[in-house]
Amino acid sequence: NSKVIQTPRYLVKGQGQKAKMRCIPEKGHPVVFWYQQNKNNEFKFLINFQNQEVLQQIDMTEKRFSAECPSNSPCSLEIQSSEAGDSALYLCASSLGTGDYEQYFGPGTRLTVL
Amino acid sequence: GDSVIQMQGQVTLSENDFLFINCTYSTTGYPTLFWYVQYSGEGPQLLLQVTTANNKGSSRGFEATYDKGTTSFHLQKTSVQEIDSAVYYCAMRDWTGGLSGKLTFGEGTQVTVIS
Repeated sequence: NSKVIQTPRYLVKGQGQKAKMRCIPEKGHPVVFWYQQNKNNEFKFLINFQNQEVLQQIDMTEKRFSAECPSNSPCSLEIQSSEAGDSALYLCASSLGTGDYEQYFGPGTRLTVL
Repeated sequence: GDSVIQMQGQVTLSENDFLFINCTYSTTGYPTLFWYVQYSGEGPQLLLQVTTANNKGSSRGFEATYDKGTTSFHLQKTSVQEIDSAVYYCAMRDWTGGLSGKLTFGEGTQVTVIS
């Protein structure tokens, strides 16, 4: 069973507000992924890190999101100015590497933007 | 770019029925393919993975077979139980874009097993 911890489980924000969520990866996992799962169950990769360095991110993340994985602290994903279309389940996953390693997912943070 | 397609959005079965979910993929590389299962209120969890080298994988009574000729990857289970009710996703690991390891998911198949 996955030991990826995500907080908070639920987050409600108004449009234009900042929305911040955190993820503690499994112990010893240097690679962290963030995915967005919308109400139609579609997954969108947002960004991933190896230790503290960004490996890959999509344009939307670069422009509207702030993400980091500091040493000895939880990883975080923050939407700078929430929009209604950001309402989704944000999933964090961690793995031992970017190669043939399983990605372990947390339960997600469900964001609702009113 | 890479893509994964699941045509079956919903499947309703009775206990002990045969489950078959098909998935097709498109990539320029040599994919590693996965089936994930997501129960209500939880994140996805890996059910099994298959590489192009070994063609088949099995776990918890589920079996997945990869067909390079048709670029398809299907999941089956001989006899489903009510506890198998969940959403099943096929996914592919991305080997492009600097080997970031990100997954591309299909649209998911909601499997409902009635007793």
